[in-house]
Amino acid sequence: EAQVTQNPRYLITVTGKKLTVTCSQNMNHEYMSWYRQDPGLGLRQIYYSMNVEVTDKGDVPEGYKVSRKEKRNFPLILESPSPNQTSLYFCASTGGSSYNEQFFGPGTRLTVL
Amino acid sequence: AQSVSQHNHHVILSEAASLELGCNYSYGGTVNLFWYVQYPGQHLQLLLKYFSGDPLVKGIKGFEAEFIKSKFSFNLRKPSVQWSDTAEYFCAVNPNAGNMLTFGGGTRLMVKP
Repeated sequence: EAQVTQNPRYLITVTGKKLTVTCSQNMNHEYMSWYRQDPGLGLRQIYYSMNVEVTDKGDVPEGYKVSRKEKRNFPLILESPSPNQTSLYFCASTGGSSYNEQFFGPGTRLTVL
Repeated sequence: AQSVSQHNHHVILSEAASLELGCNYSYGGTVNLFWYVQYPGQHLQLLLKYFSGDPLVKGIKGFEAEFIKSKFSFNLRKPSVQWSDTAEYFCAVNPNAGNMLTFGGGTRLMVKP
């Protein structure tokens, strides 16, 4: 089954404790991205990657890092999380015959205390 | 900067009522347009998309949207809503040449049985 998976689905952590949210897709898509969803603000893009070893900032990159060492994986790293990063995070991928249509993962709800 | 506006933040309808959700964007060039739906507790799913051709686009579950280029609009419609349409709806826009998706702030629809 074609899908985008994220882990963990739920995470509660404390300020300053580094964390990583994993994202993996099995569709051989070149393009992957991370969004955060906040009430009234819709989805805002954090980072995106056009292909392996190619990443770039989206609209709200501050406080986040990403890496793209393999085509299928695109982890989101919070080196020192802060409470304003409490949000719902979605990973998405695009490519192949469905170019420009983004397939979303199930979301990761992060709470930073 | 490109922006997407969804003017209705919350909509409450009774079953069988007709629905129209507004979406306006600010980008002046050629665009691809999308409507996504997010059911409670779930990830985003594509409802419909417009790339070119007939400006009236039909999607899944009886939804349709009309692209009016002169008004920079892509409104979502459904003639008769059901309780199961209760969800949050997001309009999204991206330029032809890129993969960046800009989302509107979302519209929460509640359909009363």
